[in-house]
Amino acid sequence: NAGVTQTPKFRVLKTGQSMTLLCAQDMNHEYMYWYRQDPGMGLRLIHYSVGEGTTAKGEVPDGYNVSRLKKQNFLLGLESAAPSQTSVYFCASSPAGTISGYTFGSGTRLTVV
Amino acid sequence: GIQVEQSPPDLILQEGANSTLRCNFSDSVNNLQWFHQNPWGQLINLFYIPSGTKQNGRLSATTVATERYSLLYISSSQTTDSGVYFCAGSSYLTGTASKLTFGTGTRLQVTL
Repeated sequence: NAGVTQTPKFRVLKTGQSMTLLCAQDMNHEYMYWYRQDPGMGLRLIHYSVGEGTTAKGEVPDGYNVSRLKKQNFLLGLESAAPSQTSVYFCASSPAGTISGYTFGSGTRLTVV
Repeated sequence: GIQVEQSPPDLILQEGANSTLRCNFSDSVNNLQWFHQNPWGQLINLFYIPSGTKQNGRLSATTVATERYSLLYISSSQTTDSGVYFCAGSSYLTGTASKLTFGTGTRLQVTL
């Protein structure tokens, strides 16, 4: 049971380039989330999804887009990367209801130069 | 949204010591979770504890929802307990996603 898998683990982008981060979960969870972690600021929610075909904005959505075409996958896209998007990105999933907590992926460290 | 405050921000312990980490919330929550981020960056869910007390080995957590705080107890600390401990909470409606707000963490270092 892999849990939540994120790819890639590391990436360096030039300003203006685009990329997609992939999150895959094999726990049949309904809800999926993308967070970013910056030094001294904890984790902040970028976008989330409550089911296949649905997405919604979180606390810091600007500059990012997401898609959830399949229940097990949640994609995070950067259309035109900026240095301010240098961060560690975490994907998480959780079941619907109040059963249990989040399961996180291992993170993607992104540097924009 | 809610505000989450954690204390202390940093903690250094000698192996074998006990400690208590605290998390305060600005508003009532119906979802409260504690996480450990190890030195390699992996986030591990320790407890899902919107109320009451739970124990898992040397770790236990208590949430007093009516007073808007939660405590994480670490007993007989080991070097493998080092890392950053985050609490996170949300107040959400049944049938909607629970969007957690994270505190800034308590950085724990356990020394020999």
